[in-house]
Amino acid sequence: GENVEQHPSTLSVQEGDSAVIKCTYSDSASNYFPWYKQELGKGPQLIIDIRSNVGEKKDQRIAVTLNKTAKHFSLHITETQPEDSAVYFCAASITGTASKLTFGTGTRLQVTL
Amino acid sequence: EADIYQTPRYLVIGTGKKITLECSQTMGHDKMYWYQQDPGMELHLIHYSYGVNSTEKGDLSSESTVSRIRTEHFPLTLESARPSHTSQYLCASSEYVGGLADTQYFGPGTRLTVL
Repeated sequence: GENVEQHPSTLSVQEGDSAVIKCTYSDSASNYFPWYKQELGKGPQLIIDIRSNVGEKKDQRIAVTLNKTAKHFSLHITETQPEDSAVYFCAASITGTASKLTFGTGTRLQVTL
Repeated sequence: EADIYQTPRYLVIGTGKKITLECSQTMGHDKMYWYQQDPGMELHLIHYSYGVNSTEKGDLSSESTVSRIRTEHFPLTLESARPSHTSQYLCASSEYVGGLADTQYFGPGTRLTVL
């Protein structure tokens, strides 16, 4: 089955700096890679996703890059703000009627003033 | 904003009690999932369903059971709760539309504490 590794487990950055979280996956058939943000006391919320036919996707301060050959993908947050502090999860799946997400182990991001 | 609900949000009970965690969604999604989230953050899939009368065990063995009698409802039951069941339980749903990725939408979670 799919295995997703995520690094780092904790990340502290100063407000305004950039944050990068990296994930690797094992199943070359995986073709869908979402990123979730989980704030304290809430369920994970999708913030951005990418499919395997795209190398990069951007949404305002958030971007995701995918390297299919190396089987890794990364989340980039620019101009970080205190409200970006949360736990971030990457995930991978093969889309289809029987798809399941395999999650990474999470990264706790702390944005300090 | 996803329309998926979980009740109760917090539950503290004694050992041996039977409990049911409720999950409902109003999006008409065929797929529903239960995850257990430990204090170390990691999400573990414990049950999933691809439609009415369909339930499967997930990657993490769990003593809980689930049922899917209605599309919108996916309750999780523990017949006899133990302290080892103390955890955060997250419900999610998704819909596969051919050719597109089926995004999972999560509920707010139920934090269960068994004394």
